[in-house]
Amino acid sequence: QSALTQPASVSGSPGQSITISCTGTSSDVGGYNYVSWYQQHSDTAPKLIIYDVTNRPSGVSNRFSGSKSGNTASLTISGLQAEDEADYYCASKTSSTTLGVFGTGTRVTVL
Amino acid sequence: QVQLVESGGGVVQPGRSLRLSCAASGFTFSNSAMHWVRQAPGKGLEWVAVISYDGTNKYYADSVKGRFTFSRDNIKNTLYLQMNSLRREDTAVYYCVREGGSYFTRLDYWGQGTLVTVSS
Repeated sequence: QSALTQPASVSGSPGQSITISCTGTSSDVGGYNYVSWYQQHSDTAPKLIIYDVTNRPSGVSNRFSGSKSGNTASLTISGLQAEDEADYYCASKTSSTTLGVFGTGTRVTVL
Repeated sequence: QVQLVESGGGVVQPGRSLRLSCAASGFTFSNSAMHWVRQAPGKGLEWVAVISYDGTNKYYADSVKGRFTFSRDNIKNTLYLQMNSLRREDTAVYYCVREGGSYFTRLDYWGQGTLVTVSS
């Protein structure tokens, strides 16, 4: 099972919106509405910010939103803030025996 | 509040064994599937294994299948990862993670991680 493909880095200025893509196949992203996104600040554990493609856990800012089209899922961060500078990972349920797969990760930089 | 506390990491020689533990609290442990996810230094997240709420079903990444064994004690609210025949590429921070939905849909609580270093 290969990792889902994400851009290595995305950057934006404070207040701007950015979008991170997550590309898989019909066996994972395209086949299930079970894409999740995780935010990881330096030297800390990842944190769930989106699940089931579009849902936010309680306490997660509504500046984070998720979507999916075909085999590609996306995370949009609107009103970019300095605290959003972190690594972001997508993940998806898969039809393989490994059950799930993470994306390659995207480093978000706030200029 | 949900707490997951890993322990057991350290430095181990290639080919040797190590057992990680994860103590869970703040939720009904016996109702939740649980995962191990690892992260090599400077690298991305890699899913390692999942165990069902009652321990009867276990699934492993191909990279650890046959070498790692995942178990749980629902009386002690504790997870275990027995790692045998360790390789240098197993060097990573190992996170204990709760599954908040069905398998691999919502990894909603993560421990702080424990570092395993495989080196001679």
